[in-house]
Amino acid sequence: QVHLVESGGGVVQPGRSLRLSCAASGFTFSSYPMHWVRQAPGKGLEWVAVISYDGTTKYYADSVKGRFIISRDNSRNSLYLEMSSLRPEDTAVYYCARDGAVVREEYFFDHWGQGTLVTVSS
Amino acid sequence: SYVLTQPPSVSVAPGQTATITCGGDNIGTNSVHWYQQKPGQAPVLVVYDDSDRPSGIPERFSGSNSGNSATLSISRVEAGDEADYYCQVWDSSADHPVVFGTGTRVTVL
Repeated sequence: QVHLVESGGGVVQPGRSLRLSCAASGFTFSSYPMHWVRQAPGKGLEWVAVISYDGTTKYYADSVKGRFIISRDNSRNSLYLEMSSLRPEDTAVYYCARDGAVVREEYFFDHWGQGTLVTVSS
Repeated sequence: SYVLTQPPSVSVAPGQTATITCGGDNIGTNSVHWYQQKPGQAPVLVVYDDSDRPSGIPERFSGSNSGNSATLSISRVEAGDEADYYCQVWDSSADHPVVFGTGTRVTVL
């Protein structure tokens, strides 16, 4: 079965950087676009970024553009989110999620990890 | 940017039908997806492409989409259906392609 496990969250000061990882198993990782979605405490869901199945195409939400970088290593079945210039408003649970379609992005999320909490605070 | 509006809360008695709306300008021209999120858990996809169900999702969950409103219906509601529900669309022509609804808390009385 599909399994996504995020790691790397924690408490970080404003302006600093953090790298999140997502380990995938139970499916052909290299065939699927992957996403990061976040949820601030007590708030709704916010899409953060997507990366194509082969890593060549990436798109970001305006709120993180220029500060976050999404990447993947298909040889390690892993997805990453490099976050820099962190702000208090980036505080959230970060989920990795699999796109619902193979190869071509359909921008819905059929499997989610359990999430990792990032807290940006001095 | 595109806005999806949901009622903050819906209350329903066990065995009855819960109806959750998702309003958006010409939303009927987009594919709508629905997620269930229980407290402390990750979201789960319950309906995709307006009305399709992923494997393992009960037939009690159904969706429709037309005009300016999409709907998620949960028939024969059970206590375990109590959760937050979010609609979501992908607007490929927009600068903010992925939009989530504001979320609806379903309470089983």
